Amino acid sequence: EAGVAQSPRYKIIEKRQSVAFWCNPISGHATLYWYQQILGQGPKLLIQFQNNGVVDDSQLPKDRFSAERLKGVDSTLKIQPAKLEDSAVYLCASSPRGTGRTDTQYFGPGTRLTVL
Amino acid sequence: TQLLEQSPQFLSIQEGENLTVYCNSSSVFSSLQWYRQEPGEGPVLLVTVVTGGEVKKLKRLTFQFGDARKDSSLHITAAQPGDTGLYLCAGLRGMNRDDKIIFGKGTRLHILP
Repeated sequence: EAGVAQSPRYKIIEKRQSVAFWCNPISGHATLYWYQQILGQGPKLLIQFQNNGVVDDSQLPKDRFSAERLKGVDSTLKIQPAKLEDSAVYLCASSPRGTGRTDTQYFGPGTRLTVL
Repeated sequence: TQLLEQSPQFLSIQEGENLTVYCNSSSVFSSLQWYRQEPGEGPVLLVTVVTGGEVKKLKRLTFQFGDARKDSSLHITAAQPGDTGLYLCAGLRGMNRDDKIIFGKGTRLHILP
């Protein structure tokens, strides 16, 4: 079974530029998550999709971040314009159900963003 | 507000030693998960505990969920260099799909050969 795919793996941009990340979850997984992991910290949930609907985007900085999940499969996360503090690893995860106490999240390798 | 406190932040020990890392909160969680993350990779789930007082073993790793479901510990027996990594705990508040999963900052473990 293929895992969660993310691209690009690395991205370097200057502040005020735009950037987009792509995620392809495990086939058949209903739920998709985007996390931001700043160096030295644990992942912080940015947005959670259930199929193609948003379940939780309470920690997404909506003035600059946007995300979509077309047809309930692939997803893109965009930052426009980027700030220095956006430098982080952006992790995508998927899970079969997204509900219940034992649902397992499977993470992709992440995209490391550096904003100069 | 950091709802999940992990300690220690860093731990470096010799191969063969035993160690325990902790995950503490003032909040009650319906379940708690432990992940291990290696450099350049995403976290990988090790275990999920759901019942207060529950103990689960995974080879040399023993996980315990506190009776009040507010804290958890991970004990590693006879640590190996392959155990090196960032250990993250994540708590789920509630059982409905609208409830959040919250990660701690992690314990970075380094096992010296």
